[in-house]
Amino acid sequence: DVKVTQSSRYLVKRTGEKVFLECVQDMDHENMFWYRQDPGLGLRLIYFSYDVKMKEKGDIPEGYSVSREKKERFSLILESASTNQTSMYLCASSFWGIENTGELFFGEGSRLTVL
Amino acid sequence: DAKTTQPNSMESNEEEPVHLPCNHSTISGTDYIHWYRQLPSQGPEYVIHGLTSNVNNRMASLAIAEDRKSSTLILHRATLRDAAVYYCILSDFYGQNFVFGPGTRLSVLP
Repeated sequence: DVKVTQSSRYLVKRTGEKVFLECVQDMDHENMFWYRQDPGLGLRLIYFSYDVKMKEKGDIPEGYSVSREKKERFSLILESASTNQTSMYLCASSFWGIENTGELFFGEGSRLTVL
Repeated sequence: DAKTTQPNSMESNEEEPVHLPCNHSTISGTDYIHWYRQLPSQGPEYVIHGLTSNVNNRMASLAIAEDRKSSTLILHRATLRDAAVYYCILSDFYGQNFVFGPGTRLSVLP
């Protein structure tokens, strides 16, 4: 079975803390994505990566950075967490090129609360 | 980025067909149309995707307008387990620029 694993289902952090959200996929996918999901806003793309050490900004990159040192791992970093970053964070991965499957595989999500 | 518009919510009766519409008037010639759904407390899951021709799979059918400015996801026989938020998304050829909108919340009535 294909698998995207996010390191933590629930996190509680304080304002100003540095936060790492880890995502690992076991499908040898080239593309990896970080989204956040808030009520009424759907999923918003933060960053995506199409290769090791490559990254592209999504719609809402402010306040976030990412790291992809290995193909299977994509990390989302909040350098200084703020209360407006309280949200559900979803990681996804896919093959490069739609003609492979056209399918994003999502992890179960990490619910972050910033106090 | 190409955007989509969907109704906020729809209702269906169990065992009846459901047609979920999506408008994407700014679609480019190489954009693919994807549908995902999200069940409560889960990440989104793939339903179907297509480029120009109608597509069928075990979960649903995708009907794409001739001018590609709209599409319809068809669930042939809704079940209670189909109650979810359905997202219509456009992506580029490389599958890299997946932008989700708010989606349509489908309620299925017994």
